[in-house]
Amino acid sequence: AIQMTQSPSSLSASVGDRVTITCRASQGIRNELGWYQQKPGKAPKLLIYGASSLQSGVPSRFSGSGSGTDFTLTISSLQPEDFATYYCLQDYNYPQTFGQGTKVEIK
Amino acid sequence: QVQLQESGPGLVKPSETLSLTCAVSGGSISGYYWSWIRQPPGKGLEWIGYIYYSGATNYNPSLKSRVTISVDTSKNQFSLKLSSVTAADTAVYYCARRVATKPMYFFDYWGQGTLVTVSS
Repeated sequence: AIQMTQSPSSLSASVGDRVTITCRASQGIRNELGWYQQKPGKAPKLLIYGASSLQSGVPSRFSGSGSGTDFTLTISSLQPEDFATYYCLQDYNYPQTFGQGTKVEIK
Repeated sequence: QVQLQESGPGLVKPSETLSLTCAVSGGSISGYYWSWIRQPPGKGLEWIGYIYYSGATNYNPSLKSRVTISVDTSKNQFSLKLSSVTAADTAVYYCARRVATKPMYFFDYWGQGTLVTVSS
């Protein structure tokens, strides 16, 4: 199975900060990667698919980039509602595998 | 608006079979892949498997010997069975709809999740 490694596992940031989360795949996955946001007690929510396509209704402060093995999720200006845990997910092959998550906390 | 709702026992005894159903409303089950994903308390997400509306399945090799996913298109629902459960199977179980049409691959709709605890 493809291993997805996210970094950092957690970070503290302030409202308005630019935040970057990275995800590395153990083998090339083209651009078949998604990013999901999960708040406590809630199901994950799709933010980005195809490494860089913004899901309908998701604010434009979220963006994704990368291809092959290295990917990035960027929040350009962190808002109070963005404090959550973020997961990457490879859609290249089965079994689908998630990163371990990055918890974004308030500084 | 598509909605998914998991249902089933919240407590299962060790060695027994966990059974959950996901009811789909606001849209047809046809044309999509339907998945189960779980999350142990305080931990990350694990993909369990999917079923295509036609009945084709694919399971996580780590669970394959114990998992069965089935679909009932007449009721617009799909189900999960996980046999011989242990405490390690305690988790919130989510059902989700998967879009898999090039170049779009993602889970767009999720159930709210249901906590299943394995304990005697």
